Amino acid sequence: LAKTTQPISMDSYEGQEVNITCSHNNIATNDYITWYQQFPSQGPRFIIQGYKTKVTNEVASLFIPADRKSSTLSLPRVSLSDTAVYYCLVGDLASGNTPLVFGKGTRLSVIA
Amino acid sequence: EPEVTQTPSHQVTQMGQEVILRCVPISNHLYFYWYRQILGQKVEFLVSFYNNEISEKSEIFDDQFSVERPDGSNFTLKIRSTKLEDSAMYFCASNGGRNEKLFFGSGTQLSVL
Repeated sequence: LAKTTQPISMDSYEGQEVNITCSHNNIATNDYITWYQQFPSQGPRFIIQGYKTKVTNEVASLFIPADRKSSTLSLPRVSLSDTAVYYCLVGDLASGNTPLVFGKGTRLSVIA
Repeated sequence: EPEVTQTPSHQVTQMGQEVILRCVPISNHLYFYWYRQILGQKVEFLVSFYNNEISEKSEIFDDQFSVERPDGSNFTLKIRSTKLEDSAMYFCASNGGRNEKLFFGSGTQLSVL
């Protein structure tokens, strides 16, 4: 499984756009990139998944450059309730391996 | 949205005792997982289960751990002889296919005294 590197923490004010970048230099051809969110004392929750270019859903956008060695989770206009830990996972979905390895994640603190 | 249900939410036990953590995965899911998270640390994979057998397990999942799907709805994690270092939040997860997103339960906080 490809190793991922994320910033340990980030701070943001309410209403701002937040971009969290994840490095995955040894990503394999069949690997997908998946982001999860975790609130204190809760299980992780799926946010978004992508393979290349850009993916957008009702919660976030995921930007993946052509070389796929990094990805950026974009959260538009964050609120206090977006304060959480965000995890980037990389895994080979084509072979049926669910990405199983969570890194330390990025702790986002949203300030009023 | 469907939910993975875990019981109990909190479990306190004495060192050396056996505990069973219970999970009800989403009804049409086929793949089941246990993860744990020690306070302040990252989420760690323990085991995955499919078709009534373990498909993958981590080095954490040693002989004191076992999993079972005793009926069509429950998925359990048993720790035979708990140690202080087993104190953690244990999360159950499920998905409908190995390529699909994981749905996590709210966890069981296990405290070993």
